[in-house]
Order: sequence, then C-alpha cells, then structure tokens
Amino acid sequence: KAGVTQTPRYLIKTRGQQVTLSCSPISGHRSVSWYQQTPGQGLQFLFEYFSETQRNKGNFPGRFSGRQFSNSRSEMNVSTLELGDSALYLCASSLRGTSQETQYFGPGTRLLVL
Amino acid sequence: AQSVTQPDIHITVSEGASLELRCNYSYGATPYLFWYVQSPGQGLQLLLKYFSGDTLVQGIKGFEAEFKRSQSSFNLRKPSVHWSDAAEYFCAVLFRGSTLGRLYFGRGTQLTVWP
Repeated sequence: KAGVTQTPRYLIKTRGQQVTLSCSPISGHRSVSWYQQTPGQGLQFLFEYFSETQRNKGNFPGRFSGRQFSNSRSEMNVSTLELGDSALYLCASSLRGTSQETQYFGPGTRLLVL
Repeated sequence: AQSVTQPDIHITVSEGASLELRCNYSYGATPYLFWYVQSPGQGLQLLLKYFSGDTLVQGIKGFEAEFKRSQSSFNLRKPSVHWSDAAEYFCAVLFRGSTLGRLYFGRGTQLTVWP
C-alpha cells in the first residue's frame, strides 16, 4: 500500500505570495492532519480534516487554511507569506483520526520564504 | 496544561553502546504514547507505540520503550546503537478521548553516533 505523499517536496516563494501544498493520504484513510516543523518552535499542529470537515485547528493565524476533498486528499494554503512561514510542512493520515490510531507521516514539503 | 518533555536536546554515543532517550508527559490521565524518528530531509517514521497492556513495547529497528505510570515517562532504549541510528527522535502523545487526531510532540532529541 502506498504511503502518504506530499507535493511539491520543495518550494521557494517570496514574502506576500501565497502557496498551496497537497497531501494524498494512505488509501482508505479519511483523516488528514497537518503539522508545521521549525527549528524554533518544533512540531506544531495546524489542523485536522475528516470527511471534508475541519474538526480541529491549532493556534495559527487565519492566513493558514486547508480543505479536504471527497477522495480524502487535502490541501493547505498559506496566504500573504511571511519569512517566519519557512518550515517543513508535514501531513499525516489515519483511518478516522481517533486517539487510538497511529498517524502515518508523509515526507513533507519544505517551504522557503525569501 | 498538557505537555511533552524531552529533556535531552542532543545525545552522542559510540557505535555499539546502549542508548536511552527520555520522554515525560504532563496530563491527568495516561495518554497514548509514540516514538517517531526523523532522518535528515525526511518525514517522521513510527518506531513504536503504547496504547495499553504490557508496559514494555517493542518496535522496529531493535528499539524498545518502557511506560512508567508513576513517573509519567516513556523512555526509548536500544541495547546497541548502529551508525544508521543517527537521526532526530520525537516523543509524541495523543490524549485519550480525543477524536480530533492531534499529536503533541516533544522538542526532539538529536542523536549523534560516533564510529
């Protein structure tokens, strides 16, 4: 079974631009979570989607948004990019997103904002 | 407040030596516990997990972890480290009763292995 895939793997943007990242979960998984990883803040939860609905959101500004499609693929969008948005963005999938499940991570998208 | 603490930011061991990485959590009840490993430029790979039952759990790559309720700890161990184990290790928890799929991570421990 294929793992979690994320595209693109690397991205360079300039301040003020917007960016869209994509995540395809493991087949059959309906929950997708997004995390931001930076050297300063570590791994921080962005949001979680299940059946096209956002169920939980971390403490990030409204510039960070996401959505999930009927095939469980998910995208996250960051508008008006800031230098501090440079990070590795990881998505993870699980069957239903309950606390008894393992989350499987993709390789991440590394975003550099100049 | 819920928190996960990995007190060691960086650990250096010689190849063949034993390893223990520490993890403590702060929460009213026992959470679900995980250890992930991240190699440079890669995502997170699950090493092992604890949900309930036997407090000593075995994982991949020869790793094991022991849950100690009295100490709110879930330390990762390996009896003999290989050079390929050099990576960053993250302890993570999911709090019971949550249906919202949110993992809380420690800040990570960077492992360096000397030949």
